[in-house]
Order: sequence, then C-alpha cells, then structure tokens
Amino acid sequence: KAGVTQTPRYLIKTRGQQVTLSCSPISGHRSVSWYQQTPGQGLQFLFEYFSETQRNKGNFPGRFSGRQFSNSRSEMNVSTLELGDSALYLCASSLELGVWETQYFGPGTRLLVL
Amino acid sequence: TQLLEQSPQFLSIQEGENLTVYCNSSSVFSSLQWYRQEPGEGPVLLVTVVTGGEVKKLKRLTFQFGDARKDSSLHITAAQPGDTGLYLCAGAKANNAGNMLTFGGGTRLMVKP
Repeated sequence: KAGVTQTPRYLIKTRGQQVTLSCSPISGHRSVSWYQQTPGQGLQFLFEYFSETQRNKGNFPGRFSGRQFSNSRSEMNVSTLELGDSALYLCASSLELGVWETQYFGPGTRLLVL
Repeated sequence: TQLLEQSPQFLSIQEGENLTVYCNSSSVFSSLQWYRQEPGEGPVLLVTVVTGGEVKKLKRLTFQFGDARKDSSLHITAAQPGDTGLYLCAGAKANNAGNMLTFGGGTRLMVKP
C-alpha cells in the first residue's frame, strides 16, 4: 500500500506570494492533518480535515487555509507569504477520527520564503 | 510555551550506551505517542501508550506512560548508530474531536560508532 505522498517536495517562493501544497493520503484514509515544523517552534498543528470538513484548527493566522476533496486528497494554501513561513509542512493521514488512531506522515514539503 | 516538554534536547552518546528521554506535561493526555524522524522524512510512529502506568517494549526500546497520564519516557538499551534521529513525543486529548496531536520539542539523538 502506498504511503502518504506530498507534492511538491521542495518549493522556493518570495515574500507576498501565495503557495498551494498537496497531500494524497493512504488509500482508504479519510482524516488528513497538516503540521508545520520549524527549528524554533517544532511541530505545530495547523488543521485537520475529515470527509471534506475541517474538524480542528490550530493557532495560525487566516493566511493559512486548507480543503479536502471527495477522494480525501487535501491541499493547504498560504497567502501573502512571510519569511517566517519557511518550514517543513507535513501531512498525516489516518483511517478515522479518534485519539488512538495512528497517524501516518508524509515526507513533507520544504518551503523556503525569500 | 510547549505543552509537552522533552528533555534532553540533544544527546550524543557512544554505541552500546543506554539513554532515557523524558516527555513531561502539566496536562493529562488520553494517549501519548512516540515518533522517530530522520532527515528528509516525516515522523514514523514507534508506539502509542494509552493506560496510566503502561509499559511497552519494542526490542531495545522501552516506553512508559506515567500513572497520571501527564508524562512519559523512552529508554533505549545498548544504543546503535541506527537509532540516530529526532525523537518526538505527542499527546492526544479525548475532548478534541479528531486527530490533533500536541508535539514536544523533540530530542535529537546521535549515536556514534
């Protein structure tokens, strides 16, 4: 079974631009979560989608948004990029909702904002 | 401020040594998960502990969940260079709808041959 895939793997943008990242979950998984990982703040939860609905949202500004499609694939968008948005963006999928569900992470998209 | 505090942040040891990584919080978690992350990859789940006082063993790795479900530890016996990586603990709470995990800051382990 294929794992979680994220595209693109690397991205360079300039301040003020916007970016869209894509995540394809493991087949059959309906929950997709997004995390931001930086050296200073570590791994921080952005949001989670289940059956095309956002179920949880972390403490990030409105410039960060996401959506989930009917095939469970998810995208996240960051508008008006800032230097501080440079990070590894990780997507994780799991079968169902639940605190004991194993989340399977993709390799991430490394975003550099210049 | 991290809800989950991991210590130490960095650890450099020789092959064959033992080590313990700690994950502490003032909050109660329904479950606590340990991940290992290698450069260029996403975190990979090692274990999930859900019961206070639970101990789980995975080969040379021993995981403990505190009685009050606020803290956890990871002990590695006879560390090997293949154990090198970033170890992350993450807590989940039952009152959250869904799969939001709160991660600790991580412990970067280097095992030298």
